[in-house]
Amino acid sequence: DIVLTQSPVLAVSLGQRATISCRASQSVSISSINLMHWYQQKPGQQPKLLIYRASNLASGIPARFSGSGSGTDFTLTIDPVQADDIAAYYCQQSRESPLTFGSGTKLEIK
Amino acid sequence: EIQLQESGPGLVKPSQSLSLTCSVTGYTITSGYDWSWIRKFPGNKMEWMGYISYSGSTNYNPSLKSRISITRDTSKNQFFLQLNSVTTEDTATYYCARYPGALDYWGQGVMVTVSS
Repeated sequence: DIVLTQSPVLAVSLGQRATISCRASQSVSISSINLMHWYQQKPGQQPKLLIYRASNLASGIPARFSGSGSGTDFTLTIDPVQADDIAAYYCQQSRESPLTFGSGTKLEIK
Repeated sequence: EIQLQESGPGLVKPSQSLSLTCSVTGYTITSGYDWSWIRKFPGNKMEWMGYISYSGSTNYNPSLKSRISITRDTSKNQFFLQLNSVTTEDTATYYCARYPGALDYWGQGVMVTVSS
């Protein structure tokens, strides 16, 4: 299985940039298609798709969210961070079955 | 608007079977895509369990392969999860989701506790 590694916690100040990283144990890219996706989950809610295929903003997601990366290293950026962004963020790969998730990064306010 | 809603018992005894239903509105499950089950354990680890495709084929996580079955009722636009021989380690929140390459629509989740 492809293992996805995320830092457990990230603390940032409101209005600043948050950079959340995800590293895969092997490449999740096929040619130029990066099969990494990002989700936001707030307490008591279901996960919400933010970014698909590494850099594509999902429908209805604010433009302060962006994604980048290829191969094994991926980043979710939130700029500027707002109070409503306090949540856990998960990466997930669809390069091969079984689909796997990172352990999640909890975004906190400094 | 596409909506998914999980339903099923919140408490299951060890060694019994866990059975959940995902009801889909706003999209016909035979029109396309794969329809997944995912669970989130206490402590926040997420695990993809498997999916049933629009054509009815299935794909399961090998870690569950001997215990899991995903089926559907196309007349009701529902799909189902059955997990056999559950233990306390199957205690989790269970979600259903649509999967067109990424998991774009999710149900609200149902918490299932395995306990005697």
